[in-house]
Amino acid sequence: DSGVTQTPKHLITATGQRVTLRCSPRSGDLSVYWYQQSLDQGLQFLIQYYNGEERAKGNILERFSAQQFPDLHSELNLSSLELGDSALYFCASSVGPLNTGELFFGEGSRLTVL
Amino acid sequence: AQSVTQLGSHVSVSEGALVLLRCNYSSSVPPYLFWYVQYPNQGLQLLLKYTTGATLVKGINGFEAEFKKSETSFHLTKPSAHMSDAAEYFCAVKTGTASKLTFGTGTRLQVTL
Repeated sequence: DSGVTQTPKHLITATGQRVTLRCSPRSGDLSVYWYQQSLDQGLQFLIQYYNGEERAKGNILERFSAQQFPDLHSELNLSSLELGDSALYFCASSVGPLNTGELFFGEGSRLTVL
Repeated sequence: AQSVTQLGSHVSVSEGALVLLRCNYSSSVPPYLFWYVQYPNQGLQLLLKYTTGATLVKGINGFEAEFKKSETSFHLTKPSAHMSDAAEYFCAVKTGTASKLTFGTGTRLQVTL
């Protein structure tokens, strides 16, 4: 158990809809990272937050947004969903703002868009 | 830009045999290199990492990797495979203060009796 909690574990929705994925980092970790894992793209970095502030941005689509709340949990919002958004979305956390590479991953939220 | 290439999307070994998973990196500055493992229906877990110093790095579960700058490689090895090693393994690279970890495409390790 990494200590990172993600909900929901599975989500099935239709094209055009909007979903929210939630992540609670390990106790004491201030940084949260979101990754997307799909068969064709592999593991793609989406975005990082540190202590409520956006720290780094990767290949995140404009239809996607994220935030980190004062209690340090984070949410990833995916809107106007397309079939290609079907993927496993991972949240990871680390202690500080500078990623030393040691990330603790949750078990992921599997999104299926029909 | 930094990147890693994992050679072989699937590797099959017999139980007790040597495990060798290959990773080559591309980076214009000294890299930090990592191996992560993903067991079925789980998130990724750090196996080992190279930042600076000793080029032979030991990790959990008997795995080790050697940083070879001249070959731009960071191959993962284990002397004797166990059934419980069956999983997907990801090589990753990070440079300097960049927050982003760039992952390879993964290698699925199968261990047979």
